Amino acid sequence: LAKTTQPISMDSYEGQEVNITCSHNNIATNDYITWYQQFPSQGPRFIIQGYKTKVTNEVASLFIPADRKSSTLSLPRVSLSDTAVYYCLVDEAAGNKLTFGGGTRVLVKP
Amino acid sequence: DADVTQTPRNRITKTGKRIMLECSQTKGHDRMYWYRQDPGLGLRLIYYSFDVKDINKGEISDGYSVSRQAQAKFSLSLESAIPNQTALYFCATSEAGDGYGYTFGSGTRLTVV
Repeated sequence: LAKTTQPISMDSYEGQEVNITCSHNNIATNDYITWYQQFPSQGPRFIIQGYKTKVTNEVASLFIPADRKSSTLSLPRVSLSDTAVYYCLVDEAAGNKLTFGGGTRVLVKP
Repeated sequence: DADVTQTPRNRITKTGKRIMLECSQTKGHDRMYWYRQDPGLGLRLIYYSFDVKDINKGEISDGYSVSRQAQAKFSLSLESAIPNQTALYFCATSEAGDGYGYTFGSGTRLTVV
């Protein structure tokens, strides 16, 4: 069962770039890395998914080194509305059951 | 309309009562899941279903049961509610290999008194 480790919390300011690094040392060959965002009392929302190198969409970028033992979610120019909990997950392709850790609480200050 | 709809949104029930939480989806996904979230913690998987005839236990299935009535409907039941089942419950759907992860509902806040 692949597990992930990420910082418990991070503070930032509006307009800054936020980078959250997640480690997943036991990632399997067929596993993907997925990040979700969750606001209080709401369900998690898919942000981005990747397998290797770099993936970018309109919301974020995901950087994955060659050994795939870690990944970094990059949120460019955050705003107050980006204050949320961010979860890094490894998608166990064999079972396709997401396992959520505690996530990283990101607080964006004015 | 939301892609994944959970009812009720909030529920208070008494210890020992049977309660059902319902989930319906318009995504057309085959896979559906029930998760529970306790305050300040991540989500834990209760049950999941990969198609109408498939039901699987997650990591914390004791005290819960599920029914997959159709592709679009997946219900979670607490046979005899107890206070430590007070939590936020989420339903989610996914489609294998589509690259867009899970779609979650807005949650049901359940309080057992």
